[in-house]
Amino acid sequence: AQSVTQPDIHITVSEGASLELRCNYSYGATPYLFWYVQSPGQGLQLLLKYFSGDTLVQGIKGFEAEFKRSQSSFNLRKPSVHWSDAAEYFCAVGPGNFGNEKLTFGTGTRLTIIP
Amino acid sequence: DTAVSQTPKYLVTQMGNDKSIKCEQNLGHDTMYWYKQDSKKFLKIMFSYNNKELIINETVPNRFSPKSPDKAHLNLHINSLELGDSAVYFCASSQGYRGNTEAFFGQGTRLTVV
Repeated sequence: AQSVTQPDIHITVSEGASLELRCNYSYGATPYLFWYVQSPGQGLQLLLKYFSGDTLVQGIKGFEAEFKRSQSSFNLRKPSVHWSDAAEYFCAVGPGNFGNEKLTFGTGTRLTIIP
Repeated sequence: DTAVSQTPKYLVTQMGNDKSIKCEQNLGHDTMYWYKQDSKKFLKIMFSYNNKELIINETVPNRFSPKSPDKAHLNLHINSLELGDSAVYFCASSQGYRGNTEAFFGQGTRLTVV
């Protein structure tokens, strides 16, 4: 069965600093990978997704993520964070095109931004 | 226009009561989902419907019964509510249900059972 691990429960960065949120997945084939963001009291919004092709994908709000098959990782990055980026970030994997598929989420990383 | 809307946003009720949460999507999608987010923010799928047919039914107590009257609506009815049912419930929709489909989420319903 597929699984997603987000090793960092909580990360604090200064406004303007760079950010990297880690995500590792476990799946036998090439997965479909997603990053979602949940602002306080809100639903989840898709930041970016990887299906195939270029392993560096660009998303909304200045985020990008890089798929590294050798490391089973899909880390999320942003060169300079803004206070409005404070939120919960979820990595998710959609495992393929067979059977009844489901989106499996990691446990999330809470991002705090300090002035 | 809200793409995926849930009502109510907050629901406080006593143990043993029966309650429903409604979800509607105006994206024209054919697949809808219910997810449960617990107090530790862990998100787990509960049900999924494609064209009004149940395709995913995770290990969820029988007290939870989804109903999809049409492709645009997926309601969740919960009988005999228990303290452990307190959570945030998210509705979502997508076009198709294979791994490469993007899910759009509603704002969530925070259920508190007292």
